[in-house]
Formats: sequence, C-alpha cells, structure tokens
Amino acid sequence: QVQLEQSGAEVKKPGASVKVSCKTSGYIFTGYYIHWVRQAPGQGLEWMGWVNPNGGGTVSAQTFQGRVTMTTDASINTAYMELSGLRSDDTAVYYCARGWGVLRALNLYYWGQGTLVTVSS
Amino acid sequence: AIQLTQSPSSLSASVGDRVTITCRASQGISSALAWYQQKPGKAPNLLMYDAATLESGVPSRFSGSGSGTDFTLTISSLQPEDFATYYCQQFNTYPLTFGGGTKVEIK
Repeated sequence: QVQLEQSGAEVKKPGASVKVSCKTSGYIFTGYYIHWVRQAPGQGLEWMGWVNPNGGGTVSAQTFQGRVTMTTDASINTAYMELSGLRSDDTAVYYCARGWGVLRALNLYYWGQGTLVTVSS
Repeated sequence: AIQLTQSPSSLSASVGDRVTITCRASQGISSALAWYQQKPGKAPNLLMYDAATLESGVPSRFSGSGSGTDFTLTISSLQPEDFATYYCQQFNTYPLTFGGGTKVEIK
C-alpha cells in the first residue's frame, strides 16, 4: 500500500533553514508528483508546491518562491522540502502528499503524517 | 491567486441533521474543486473531487454540487464520525488554494 513517512519534528531559530523529508513506499516513486502543504497552528491548509520525481521539475506558490526548495532522491524514494529564512509565522505542520493517480495529480489522496516545524528564538 | 471563501466558518449540529457547507471561488474554476475532511491531529482526507464525484469508500451521505464559482458540500444525515473540519480546494489554476475551513461541532 502507498505510504508517505515524514521526518520528525524540528525546532529552528529565525533566519535558519529546515529540511523535511518524505520517504515513500508502495508505488513507483517517479510516477507521481509530491506536493507540500502546510498548516499553521489552529489555521487552514496552505499549498506550497509540488516536485516531479521524474526529472525534478517544480511548481511552487509565489508566496514561497525564493525560499522553498523541493527535491527528490529516486534512489531512496524520498522527497525533500527545504525552507530557508525561517520566520515565526513559518511555525506549522508541514505535510507531503500525493495525488490519487496520474490523471488526478492535483487531488491529494495520500498524505504523510505531518512534521511540526517550530520557529522560535 | 484564486480565493475560496467557505461559509459558515463553524456550525453546531446534531446527529441526524442535514448539513450544508458552501464554498465560493473568486473566479470561475469550472468543476475543479475537491473537498477534504480533517480531524484533529490528523492529515486531511479526500472526500470528493470534480465538485461532485465521491471518492471511493466515502459514505453516500456526502454529496457535492456546483460549478463555476459556487459549490456546496452536503451531509444528508450527520453521523458522530463526521464531526471534523471541512476544506474545499480548487485545482483549476496554480497556485492550488484551499478555503478557510468549516468546523462542524456537536450541538
């Protein structure tokens, strides 16, 4: 079965960077985009972007352009999201997610368990 | 970016009630809308896509409708496991965007 397993919680200081991993299993890794979505405490969902493991192409929300780097390592079926220049309002749970299928790549069916990133001095 | 406005932001209802949540897009998105359910401490769960297509395994008491700018999610008879927060999401145009959420609480 499809599984997305994320790395553990992180505490970072303002201005630092954080890199969250998303290890996948149960499907052909290069066949599906990996999306990143975040959720600040008590707030709604915010889409950050996706990375295509087949070639590494990305699309990201303008809000994060210049600060977010999404990459993959197909040898270990893992996607990464690195966010730089952290601010206190980047404190959130960060999720990786995958579409249901190739034709429904933008419907987020499979989700990781989430990674809490806390930004605090 | 396309803004999605959900209403109400919260509601209280009883088991067995019919509940309707609306989602309005700031511009037309055809039928490119999905609905998610999220319970506290958990990742969202995809309920519906293409505005009205029920995801496999989702109970038939959930239904969706709409196209263009106005959409609704209806729960025909609220069950205890349905108390959660619901989000709409448009996938017509980048960036993908979500509504602000509707929290369904027990009355």
